Amino acid sequence: EVQLVESGGGLVQPGRSLRLSCTASGFTFGDYVMSWIRQAPGKGLEWVGFIKTKPYGGTTEYAASVKGRFTISRDDSKSIAYLQMNSLKTEDTAVYYCARAYDYGDYWGQGTLVTVSS
Amino acid sequence: DIQMTQSPSSLSASVGDRVTITCRASQSISSSLNWYQQKPGKAPKLLIYVASFVQSGVPSRFSGSGSGTDFTLTISSLQPEDFATYYCQQSYNTPQTFGQGTKVEIK
Repeated sequence: EVQLVESGGGLVQPGRSLRLSCTASGFTFGDYVMSWIRQAPGKGLEWVGFIKTKPYGGTTEYAASVKGRFTISRDDSKSIAYLQMNSLKTEDTAVYYCARAYDYGDYWGQGTLVTVSS
Repeated sequence: DIQMTQSPSSLSASVGDRVTITCRASQSISSSLNWYQQKPGKAPKLLIYVASFVQSGVPSRFSGSGSGTDFTLTISSLQPEDFATYYCQQSYNTPQTFGQGTKVEIK
């Protein structure tokens, strides 16, 4: 059974950093692009970015709203994708989902809440 | 960036009704269009991918159509478990973008 479990969310002050993890199981992690999507409270879905597989250079792409502040990485040996979030802003407050997704997200985690507030 | 516009933003319908939600892209996205269902407090669930392919395990009452800029999600006979918010998403290029959502409520 495919499972994705996010962790690492919590309350953080503006300007600080936080790292989210997405632990995968039930599939060959290294064969799939992994994406991060977020949802601010009461709002719609916003694509954050993705990381391609190693054969495709493990390249990353990001939304303009997070580019330069957020970094996606992966550890295929541990089946974990990471979202390093630096210089956090109040508008980054959201539930963050990881998904097995390139053209479409067929499996999603349950999400982890990040609250940026002083 | 490609803008995705869904209509309506919300609708009220009864069990058994046929429901249609539309999604329009600001430029052609070929068939790179997906539909998700989201219930409160839950992660989105993939319903339709590449415009018209029904994800495994999704009931046959869900269907998708369209290409280019105009797309449709149809629920042929609305069931109680279908009351939720529906989102379209384009994966034609990055940044991938979602529609603003359509909330389907009980009439």
